[in-house]
Amino acid sequence: EDQVTQSPEALRLQEGESSSLNCSYTVSGLRGLFWYRQDPGKGPEFLFTLYSAGEEKEKERLKATLTKKESFLHITAPKPEDSATYLCAVQAAQGAQKLVFGQGTRLTINP
Amino acid sequence: GAVVSQHPSRVICKSGTSVKIECRSLDFQATTMFWYRQFPKKSLMLMATSNEGSKATYEQGVEKDKFLINHASLTLSTLTVTSAHPEDSSFYICSARESNTDTQYFGPGTRLTVL
Repeated sequence: EDQVTQSPEALRLQEGESSSLNCSYTVSGLRGLFWYRQDPGKGPEFLFTLYSAGEEKEKERLKATLTKKESFLHITAPKPEDSATYLCAVQAAQGAQKLVFGQGTRLTINP
Repeated sequence: GAVVSQHPSRVICKSGTSVKIECRSLDFQATTMFWYRQFPKKSLMLMATSNEGSKATYEQGVEKDKFLINHASLTLSTLTVTSAHPEDSSFYICSARESNTDTQYFGPGTRLTVL
């Protein structure tokens, strides 16, 4: 069964304090790994898609990396507006096109 | 690009009534759309996969007669919660799959409250 585990569940940082969020996955052939950001009361906002091990993508203060077993979302010098829940999801290469989500990491950046 | 809208954003209804939620992909065509439900401080729970022109595929434990899904065009899918009860109160979110990248783009969600 495809599975995604995110850690930590919650993370509090001071503004400017860099850190990383982890997404460990098991999937029967990876079609893609997706990172989303979700603010309270809103739908998830797409951040990145990673397709193969070794791939990296960056957007502003965020950088996502992928290995065969896990993905990291690195956040550099975060600002309070980066506070949100970050969701990781995988899509298997075979079968249905659905995403399997992790439970998310609630990130709080204190000014 | 890749914008998905949902309507309404918030709805309050009486127990026993039916509620329809619309999901539209505004700037791309989506042969596949998805409907999720999200409980407070929990991750998204997939309810069903909606394919344009065919019957939806429901996840285990989701009542297809209660949650009616129609995907009549490449830009519109609807979810109708029939005979709603208070336990159906939740945050419902749709997504549309952009076929070139396989990326799902999500709508802003609909908060349903059944009194």
